[in-house]
Amino acid sequence: EVQLVESGGGLVQPGGSLRLSCTASGFVFGNHWMNWVRQAPGKGLDWVAIIKHDGSEKYYVDSVKGRFTISRDNANNSLFLQMNSLRAEDTAVYYCVREVYGGFDFWGQGTLVSASS
Amino acid sequence: DIQLTQTPSFLSASVGDRVTITCRASQGIGSYLAWYQQKPGKVPKFLIYDASTLQSGVPSRFSGSGSGTEFTLTISSLQHEDFATYYCQQLYSYPRTFGQGTKVEIK
Repeated sequence: EVQLVESGGGLVQPGGSLRLSCTASGFVFGNHWMNWVRQAPGKGLDWVAIIKHDGSEKYYVDSVKGRFTISRDNANNSLFLQMNSLRAEDTAVYYCVREVYGGFDFWGQGTLVSASS
Repeated sequence: DIQLTQTPSFLSASVGDRVTITCRASQGIGSYLAWYQQKPGKVPKFLIYDASTLQSGVPSRFSGSGSGTEFTLTISSLQHEDFATYYCQQLYSYPRTFGQGTKVEIK
């Protein structure tokens, strides 16, 4: 059974940092591009970042470029999102998401990040 | 960046109704479009890829069509379990943008 379990969310002051983790199981993690997608409370889906299966390519939405870094550890089936200089508008549930051909087929349950003073 | 605009943003319908949601892209994306369904408190469910191919296990009352800049998601006969918010997403380029969502509610 495919599982994606996020952790690391919490309350942080604007300007602070958090590191999100996602542990994958039930599939060959190293074969898949992986994404972070966020959803602010009561709002729509917002794609954040993607990393190639071997980590050699990474892409970000403009609003997080220079502040967020996506990375992965295939040996430990883990995906990460280092978030620096957090802003109030980064407040959202962050989902770890597996990509297959054509779309995003498995989503973790999400971890809540709240940037507030 | 490619923008996706869904219409309508809100839709009120009855069980058994035929429902159509439109997704328009700000530039051509071929058929690189996916559709998702999200129910309150749940994660999104992958419904359709390549604009018209149903994911495994998705009921046949769901269908997708379109290419280029205009796409549609159709539910041929709305069921109780279909009341949800639907999102389109383009996979043609980065960032992998989503539409703003269409909420389908019970009339």
